[in-house]
Parts: sequence; C-alpha cells; structure tokens
Amino acid sequence: ETGVTQSPTHLIKTRGQQVTLRCSSQSGHNTVSWYQQALGQGPQFIFQYYREEENGRGNFPPRFSGLQFPNYSSELNVNALELDDSALYLCASSPPGTSGGLGKTQYFGPGTRLLVL
Amino acid sequence: RKEVEQDPGPFNVPEGATVAFNCTYSNSASQSFFWYRQDCRKEPKLLMSVYSSGNEDGRFTAQLNRASQYISLLIRDSKLSDSATYLCVVKPRGYNKLIFGAGTRLAVHP
Repeated sequence: ETGVTQSPTHLIKTRGQQVTLRCSSQSGHNTVSWYQQALGQGPQFIFQYYREEENGRGNFPPRFSGLQFPNYSSELNVNALELDDSALYLCASSPPGTSGGLGKTQYFGPGTRLLVL
Repeated sequence: RKEVEQDPGPFNVPEGATVAFNCTYSNSASQSFFWYRQDCRKEPKLLMSVYSSGNEDGRFTAQLNRASQYISLLIRDSKLSDSATYLCVVKPRGYNKLIFGAGTRLAVHP
C-alpha cells in the first residue's frame, strides 16, 4: 500500500449539492494532486497543492476547489454537483524534492467513488 | 485530438502469449513517460518508467520513440495476474501533472 488514504470510499449525492472529499498524504509528502477518473477513461488532472498553495490546475471549472493543511492533508470541494461529476476521485501525494510532478514519485490513494443522481 | 491516445482493447490472450500495447502523444515537449497498471475498481499503480534507450523489467519491456511520439509496452509470457487496464502516462515539461491515456484493457485467459 502507498500510505495515501482517502475518505469516504463511496458517496451518493444529488444534483446541486456540495461535496468534500479528503486525502491524507503519505508521511513526509508535501505535495498532493487530485484527479478525476470517469468510467472508461484515464484520470484527468484537477489541480495540485504544494505547501498549502494551488500549484497548477487542469481544465476544471471554479466550482472545483481545494485546500491543503499544514500537515499536508488535503480536501477537494465540488459545488453545484452535476451528473457528469460522477467519477472516481483520486488523490496522489509526492515527496519533497520532486516538484510533485515525477510520475514515479506520485503515490495514489484508493480513491473516492462519487455518484451524483 | 486527445493528448495521449491508446487502443482501448480489450486484448484477450491466452496464458503464455506475448502482447504489445501502443500509445501516441501529441505534445512534443513531453518530458517523462510511464506505464501504469490499474486493476478493476482500484487506483493506478506505476508499472515502469519509459526511457528513450528502452528498458526492461522482467517480462515487461517499454520503448519510447520521441521522433514519432510513440510509446510501447511489451508483455511476454502473459500470466492470469496480468489482467488489468494499462495506462500510458506522459508528464509535459514545465507542468506538475500527469496526463493519462484512456487505458488498454488486457484479459489473460487459461
């Protein structure tokens, strides 16, 4: 196991609601990236947090927002949920000195499966 | 056009077969390349990095052709446990993100 944990494992919401997903990075890792994986697709980069600041963002609307805390854990918030937000949300952490971007040093958590009805 | 394109499969092969997956990427400024494996309803896990000189890890061989923007993965002597989706992944230069292909599904049968 990677040591990256995510909660909850599964979640059901209705359109228009808001959701918060949580990620605890591997010990010593100071960078957290979030990805959305729709069914049958590869993960899509949402954004990355490094030292509590957003450090890069993919092509997602502002209703996707995040936070990183001093202990490097992170939250992903999605407002005004849409049916297309139904997906597996993956968190990946990276250790210091890798700029968070080297694939061999991004460790994925098990994900949160979100269903929007 | 997608940034990373893969044949979705599925590839259905018997145990012991050799199977090859291909991937193309559109951004010539891409810096690093990887193959990830994803089991059903699990998170992606790094299988191997891909280098221009080609690299091998046991039964797995990865190749990169920067001129053609083409990446390949060869699996020899397939095992039942190799059944999974294989994701081609590219890291663009100057960006701290991974770009994934949609994945190629492999099913190895007895």
